[in-house]
Amino acid sequence: AQKVTQAQTEISVVEKEDVTLDCVYETRDTTYYLFWYKQPPSGELVFLIRRNSFDEQNEISGRYSWNFQKSTSSFNFTITASQVVDSAVYFCALSEAANTGNQFYFGTGTSLTVIP
Amino acid sequence: KAGVTQTPRYLIKTRGQQVTLSCSPISGHRSVSWYQQTPGQGLQFLFEYFSETQRNKGNFPGRFSGRQFSNSRSEMNVSTLELGDSALYLCASSLGGLAVNTGELFFGEGSRLTVL
Repeated sequence: AQKVTQAQTEISVVEKEDVTLDCVYETRDTTYYLFWYKQPPSGELVFLIRRNSFDEQNEISGRYSWNFQKSTSSFNFTITASQVVDSAVYFCALSEAANTGNQFYFGTGTSLTVIP
Repeated sequence: KAGVTQTPRYLIKTRGQQVTLSCSPISGHRSVSWYQQTPGQGLQFLFEYFSETQRNKGNFPGRFSGRQFSNSRSEMNVSTLELGDSALYLCASSLGGLAVNTGELFFGEGSRLTVL
């Protein structure tokens, strides 16, 4: 079973619109970590945020914000006032403390296209 | 600071051949992870190496193997290539201490393998 589900395969928005990317995860661990990565056309994944399971505070970084809700096992990502440069594939990922190493479980990604 | 370097960036092989991909991590990083990225499947964890030892292994057949050298550089090998092995193979490095499975992963741009 998928540990991380990103139900939105593709999203298109017009520039300056707000967009929310959904992420639902599944784990039995009480200690875990959630991540968002951005993958531009070049292929290299770029780290956006890390959140541990004990910190449910929402976070805002510029136009980006993240909403972590343990009650619904969700870690959603919102881009405010989207720009063309935001066009990329976005991945949500989970790392469980029970792992002995750096094994991350990634969702299948959401491809975001921002139309000028 | 140099990032994660993967070579070759692109390669074409035919069924039955084998391929070796290389990854040079960020200086000082001791953990190297490999992921396979295919459309619809997202990123699938292959294996992780830390201090020349395989620390984690994903659910891939034995045709997929890897190793890590004393300078932390890593190689992965796929033998008896199949059409389904066509994918973007991503390498990621992190500091990767024994208890740090939450460390940020730094990704390379990947090696795109096409099997004909």
